[in-house]
Amino acid sequence: NAGVTQTPKFQVLKTGQSMTLQCAQDMNHEYMSWYRQDPGMGLRLIHYSVGAGITDQGEVPNGYNVSRSTTEDFPLRLLSAAPSQTSVYFCASSYSATGQQETQYFGPGTRLLVL
Amino acid sequence: KQEVTQIPAALSVPEGENLVLNCSFTDSAIYNLQWFRQDPGKGLTSLLLIQSSQREQTSGRLNASLDKSSGRSTLYIAASQPGDSATYLCAVTYGNNRLAFGKGNQVVVIP
Repeated sequence: NAGVTQTPKFQVLKTGQSMTLQCAQDMNHEYMSWYRQDPGMGLRLIHYSVGAGITDQGEVPNGYNVSRSTTEDFPLRLLSAAPSQTSVYFCASSYSATGQQETQYFGPGTRLLVL
Repeated sequence: KQEVTQIPAALSVPEGENLVLNCSFTDSAIYNLQWFRQDPGKGLTSLLLIQSSQREQTSGRLNASLDKSSGRSTLYIAASQPGDSATYLCAVTYGNNRLAFGKGNQVVVIP
């Protein structure tokens, strides 16, 4: 299993540009989510999904869009990049069985710099 | 809103000493608590997961306790080694497998 994969590893954008951060998992996990990590702020939830076709907002959703057309993929779209979106982005996935929440698996992260 | 706090933010210990990292959370309605390790510029690696019905979990030199009623967890690392130098993150799982993270304990083990 490849686990959780993210592409690209690093990206530089200009203000106003759009882009999509890719996230894929091969563990047949129902739950997927996106977090951003900023110095002094910790990791904060952007959007999450409880299954294909179902998404919802997290703590800091403004400026981001998501969709979940398949179980495996959960892309994060930046609509019009702003310097405040400079961050490290992590995708995570997990499985829930019999009501117990299982270990969350994280991808390696995407470092985004918006100029 | 769930708030997770980790104390201390940073600490240095000599090699061989035991490490004690503390985590507190404000809402006891959690599914579980996870401890992660993060090396500089890297992703998160899960170390231990404690279900809300459990009191502790152990893996090798690592032991984590959970007191849900008081909103506290402690991660113990026995006989620390320089390779244990990293940032340790505490996170609680709440509805729909969402995580609320603390800001981390940055640990340096001095040889």
